[in-house]
Amino acid sequence: AQSVTQLDSHVSVSEGTPVLLRCNYSSSYSPSLFWYVQHPNKGLQLLLKYTSAATLVKGINGFEAEFKKSETSFHLTKPSAHMSDAAEYFCVVSVDTGGFKTIFGAGTRLFVKA
Amino acid sequence: DSGVTQTPKHLITATGQRVTLRCSPRSGDLSVYWYQQSLDQGLQFLIQYYNGEERAKGNILERFSAQQFPDLHSELNLSSLELGDSALYFCASSVGLAGFYNEQFFGPGTRLTVL
Repeated sequence: AQSVTQLDSHVSVSEGTPVLLRCNYSSSYSPSLFWYVQHPNKGLQLLLKYTSAATLVKGINGFEAEFKKSETSFHLTKPSAHMSDAAEYFCVVSVDTGGFKTIFGAGTRLFVKA
Repeated sequence: DSGVTQTPKHLITATGQRVTLRCSPRSGDLSVYWYQQSLDQGLQFLIQYYNGEERAKGNILERFSAQQFPDLHSELNLSSLELGDSALYFCASSVGLAGFYNEQFFGPGTRLTVL
């Protein structure tokens, strides 16, 4: 079975400080992993994806994530938070079991303080 | 703007009623996906269509159905509505077949309120 756990429901940082949003996954298959961002009253936007190439993945807006198979983690980081980063972030696992199966994490709401 | 459009933006209806949500994918995208986002269930994949055919099913209730038309727009039909169906319904589209292996572009959503 597949599952995704986002370890923090809320994260609060000050502008200019690093961001760390944590995601652990469980999968019987080789997963593809994604981070999506959702700003208020908007649809989801892809930040980055891992699909079995380089384990360090760079995304848009300065975000990156590292796939660590031994730790079954795919944490999202950014060196310096900006006010516009305040949003909800979803970690997503997708596997191909003959048809694709996609599971969303519960989401982490990021607050950025001035 | 993702290029995916959804109508209506908001929908308020009563229990027991039936509604239809509409989605137009990005130009050139053949796959359409439907998702439900609610406070208690989070974001859930409902169903995927590719070029008019159903390709993958998620946690879609039997009271819900969808179809994709020859012009590639899709409709999600929700019937015998219950209070718990109140949620934000997203449509997404992608070029190819294999779900999240291809980037999905999300529409702005339809907020359904069942009273």
